[in-house]
Amino acid sequence: EAGVTQSPTHLIKTRGQQATLRCSPISGHTSVYWYQQALGLGLQFLLWYDEGEERNRGNFPPRFSGRQFPNYSSELNVNALELEDSALYLCASRGTKRSNQPQHFGEGTRLTIL
Amino acid sequence: GIQVEQSPPDLILQEGANSTLRCNFSDSVNNLQWFHQNPWGQLINLFYIPSGTKQNGRLSATTVATERYSLLYISSSQTTDSGVYFCAVDFAGNQFYFGTGTSLTVIP
Repeated sequence: EAGVTQSPTHLIKTRGQQATLRCSPISGHTSVYWYQQALGLGLQFLLWYDEGEERNRGNFPPRFSGRQFPNYSSELNVNALELEDSALYLCASRGTKRSNQPQHFGEGTRLTIL
Repeated sequence: GIQVEQSPPDLILQEGANSTLRCNFSDSVNNLQWFHQNPWGQLINLFYIPSGTKQNGRLSATTVATERYSLLYISSSQTTDSGVYFCAVDFAGNQFYFGTGTSLTVIP
């Protein structure tokens, strides 16, 4: 069974540009979570999607947005990139919302803003 | 407010030593996971343990939900155990809150 896959592995952008990160969940999982991990810091919850809808959002500005597609894959979009957006972005998937199942993480996308 | 606290923040062990990592949380838990983050950033599932005790090789974990803490035990540590250990807690079934992690260094 394939795990959670994220692309690209690395992404380099400049200030003011826009970035799109992608995540494919484990087959059969409907929930996708996005987290940001800035250098030396813990994981901060960004967004949660389930069955195509945004279910919860962390304390991030509106320029962080995303969506979930009918096949349950997800995109994270970051507009008007700032230097402090440089971080590892991790995606996790889970069976269904409110399910008593663990999250499984992808390997992340390392976003660097120059 | 919601809090997930881990201790100790840093730990240095000699290879072969045992250790206990602790995760305290502020409210009743729906789900709890322990992860190991390797040097490349990947989060590896160790345990899914909202309550009770589980063991997997040299690692074991115990969650006492009524007292709002979880422990991760590492026995006979190896250099490959180095990295950051996170606990993540789901209180209401809609998101996980991560602790600040314990950075473990195992020296040969």
